[in-house]
Amino acid sequence: TQLLEQSPQFLSIQEGENLTVYCNSSSVFSSLQWYRQEPGEGPVLLVTVVTGGEVKKLKRLTFQFGDARKDSSLHITAAQPGDTGLYLCAGARIGGSEKLVFGKGTKLTVNP
Amino acid sequence: GAGVSQSPRYKVAKRGQDVALRCDPISGHVSLFWYQQALGQGPEFLTYFQNEAQLDKSGLPSDRFFAERPEGSVSTLKIQRTQQEDSAVYLCASSLTTGRHQPQHFGDGTRLSIL
Repeated sequence: TQLLEQSPQFLSIQEGENLTVYCNSSSVFSSLQWYRQEPGEGPVLLVTVVTGGEVKKLKRLTFQFGDARKDSSLHITAAQPGDTGLYLCAGARIGGSEKLVFGKGTKLTVNP
Repeated sequence: GAGVSQSPRYKVAKRGQDVALRCDPISGHVSLFWYQQALGQGPEFLTYFQNEAQLDKSGLPSDRFFAERPEGSVSTLKIQRTQQEDSAVYLCASSLTTGRHQPQHFGDGTRLSIL
């Protein structure tokens, strides 16, 4: 059983469209992080959310942490081909060590 | 360089051989993590060091996997008697200080293929 469930697993959209990616769990996390990974490279951190209900914006990307700190979402406005990549959510469990638990990822393709 | 450096980038080995993967973290980073990423999956935790101390090795799949960080900087992940299921990308990450909210900086990984 995957501790962090991401959906959708694959997403192919046209340039200019909006999209939302979800990250859900039955467990509570002290924080959730979103990473983007391109082929042949390591994940690159986009944002860390710590407080339940927190919303963070990074240009066209909006990240939200659920009130109960069990889920998170990533919304992209007016997607561009440069947004193409694998989006991973990862969390540090309450009471656990510093290791991150990752979801399987959402593979996003933005077509020009 | 300024980032986490991993070597080799690619490694091909025959089943049964031993392999050693190296990670050079960002200078001064206290914490170092190893993850395994299978094709089409997210990374899975293997082990974690705080300076030279290995604080968590709960993710190591078997006793064939061994990691060390003897001087608190460079780390080596060793896999003995490799098997085909060991084929994956091995990612190393480091963070400046301890704490569950600390950002982890990843290297580009070593892609291991076992024939």
